Amino acid sequence: DAGVTQSPTHLIKTRGQQVTLRCSPKSGHDTVSWYQQALGQGPQFIFQYYEEEERQRGNFPDRFSGHQFPNYSSELNVNALLLGDSALYLCASSSLGGQGAVDEQYFGPGTRLTVT
Amino acid sequence: AQSVTQLGSHVSVSEGALVLLRCNYSSSVPPYLFWYVQYPNQGLQLLLKYTTGATLVKGINGFEAEFKKSETSFHLTKPSAHMSDAAEYCCAVSTANQAGTALIFGKGTTLSVSS
Repeated sequence: DAGVTQSPTHLIKTRGQQVTLRCSPKSGHDTVSWYQQALGQGPQFIFQYYEEEERQRGNFPDRFSGHQFPNYSSELNVNALLLGDSALYLCASSSLGGQGAVDEQYFGPGTRLTVT
Repeated sequence: AQSVTQLGSHVSVSEGALVLLRCNYSSSVPPYLFWYVQYPNQGLQLLLKYTTGATLVKGINGFEAEFKKSETSFHLTKPSAHMSDAAEYCCAVSTANQAGTALIFGKGTTLSVSS
């Protein structure tokens, strides 16, 4: 079992550009959540996808958008990048099953985004 | 709204000493509580979780935590620190509902272990 995988590992972008980060969930999981972890801070919840729909969203602007594919993999898109978007972006998967049950979220290693 | 406060951004202990990392939460509904550990350049790994039932929860690597509703706390302890315990520790709270299961994290505590 490969666990949660994310790509790319590192990324450098310029202010104003757009970026797409990718996540493949752990086998058997149907729910993907994205988190932003700035240096020296705990992760902050961006949004969660289930059944290809955004079901929950944190306090992030519309520049942050996502998508979930039929195979449960997911993308995080950030438009009009700001210097403050520099962070580690973590993907987590779980098997929510639509029942609202709490299940362990398994985290990937993250994508380190640097905006210059 | 839910929130988590971790007291002490940095905790230093000697090898063999007691580890105590503090976490207080705020939640209007019964919470689910988690402790994650993060090693450099790695993702978060679940140490332990409290959902319902026994308030003393045992996790991996000898860690345990106790849910105290009256104190809104979920402190993490380990009787004897090892050098390999040096890492970032994050406390998180969540609720299970149809809207989703987002984890709300504290700012994290860096644990240093000296020989």
